[in-house]
Amino acid sequence: DGGITQSPKYLFRKEGQNVTLSCEQNLNHDAMYWYRQDPGQGLRLIYYSQIVNDFQKGDIAEGYSVSREKKESFPLTVTSAQKNPTAFYLCASSLTRRGLYNEQFFGPGTRLTVL
Amino acid sequence: AQSVAQPEDQVNVAEGNPLTVKCTYSVSGNPYLFWYVQYPNRGLQFLLKYITGDNLVKGSYGFEAEFNKSQTSFHLKKPSALVSDSALYFCAVRDGYNQGGKLIFGQGTELSVKP
Repeated sequence: DGGITQSPKYLFRKEGQNVTLSCEQNLNHDAMYWYRQDPGQGLRLIYYSQIVNDFQKGDIAEGYSVSREKKESFPLTVTSAQKNPTAFYLCASSLTRRGLYNEQFFGPGTRLTVL
Repeated sequence: AQSVAQPEDQVNVAEGNPLTVKCTYSVSGNPYLFWYVQYPNRGLQFLLKYITGDNLVKGSYGFEAEFNKSQTSFHLKKPSALVSDSALYFCAVRDGYNQGGKLIFGQGTELSVKP
């Protein structure tokens, strides 16, 4: 899982609550990403950030929000507007924001369950 | 649009036999291709990548992949499978500079290696 940590490992949320998933990296990477994984669907991009204080929507951003106040940190908030939030959430980072050659390194993931 | 297909949901192999996990891709420019492995409730681990050059790419844990431009394929291979290779395997293609150079993933192939 490299130098990326995610917490918590498991998270339970009640209907109508917002929850925040933590992602921290010590790899000095510029770019960070949030993916959602559902069974049989691969991974889908939620948000990404190529530099501090800047972030962009991915393919399924509705109901989610992010911030990038520090290079090391990219927290994801799952809001009550997200209709089906139960999933496995993966954070990733890569060395340079325009480096197509660079692989992405993934954290260990957070499993979110809505009760 | 860029896309990746993994035609097999599951591959079963006997330990010691060669294994192949298939991947085909569709891109509008140069393909930047990646293979990742995921163990249960863990993040993705990078195995190997194709950027340019030799069509046979060698990676971690004895895995290799063969890039075939005419067939638009990037199959993952290993000469002799181990029980510990049992996991979920993802093929991915870099979507150029679109959305921060995000990865587009296949739906995954579950590899099961029996003793």
